[in-house]
Amino acid sequence: GQQLNQSPQSMFIQEGEDVSMNCTSSSIFNTWLWYKQDPGEGPVLLIALYKAGELTSNGRLTAQFGITRKDSFLNISASIPSDVGIYFCAGQLLRGGATNKLIFGTGTLLAVQP
Amino acid sequence: GAVVSQHPSWVICKSGTSVKIECRSLDFQATTMFWYRQFPKQSLMLMATSNEGSKATYEQGVEKDKFLINHASLTLSTLTVTSAHPEDSSFYICSLHGRLYGYTFGSGTRLTVV
Repeated sequence: GQQLNQSPQSMFIQEGEDVSMNCTSSSIFNTWLWYKQDPGEGPVLLIALYKAGELTSNGRLTAQFGITRKDSFLNISASIPSDVGIYFCAGQLLRGGATNKLIFGTGTLLAVQP
Repeated sequence: GAVVSQHPSWVICKSGTSVKIECRSLDFQATTMFWYRQFPKQSLMLMATSNEGSKATYEQGVEKDKFLINHASLTLSTLTVTSAHPEDSSFYICSLHGRLYGYTFGSGTRLTVV
């Protein structure tokens, strides 16, 4: 199945550091979403982006919808131990009629050392 | 916000048996439900899209006769893994889509086939 390219694959940082990850695609998306997944759980939505160029924040998290509509990034500032988990980007494909499906990125594993 | 209940959270079954996974929307009507499969250390791969009252649409490479999807009402979709084999062992996650809440994910089902 189709996937988005997400980088980095993993990050090991110290508490308090800032984190940045991004997602790129060869396809144009009309919506970008960022999720966090804890072990053995389903993904939880962090930020949703609906317009090219849009910059949205949610607490310490900031995400942007790329101008070309083919990429997005997520920044986490002042990381804390509970930020540990796997972060996924997801793009919603343009498709007329029925609800558009999501395509997920390959994921970024974040480890935060206290 | 939207609440999705997925059951069971884990199941172990013998090879050759069938397993049913339920995905239930508790507080909104979902016209569309998605089923994903996630292997260890990998991303979520869309298996099929389920629309209430109609046949599911399967992604390329997913056997529709092996993964039976029933979306009998606006609040319930089921995925049945028929004649399960060890290679079907995975983490299965449902996602519901509603106009008001967008995409909401279940907590996942860990299937182990022995």
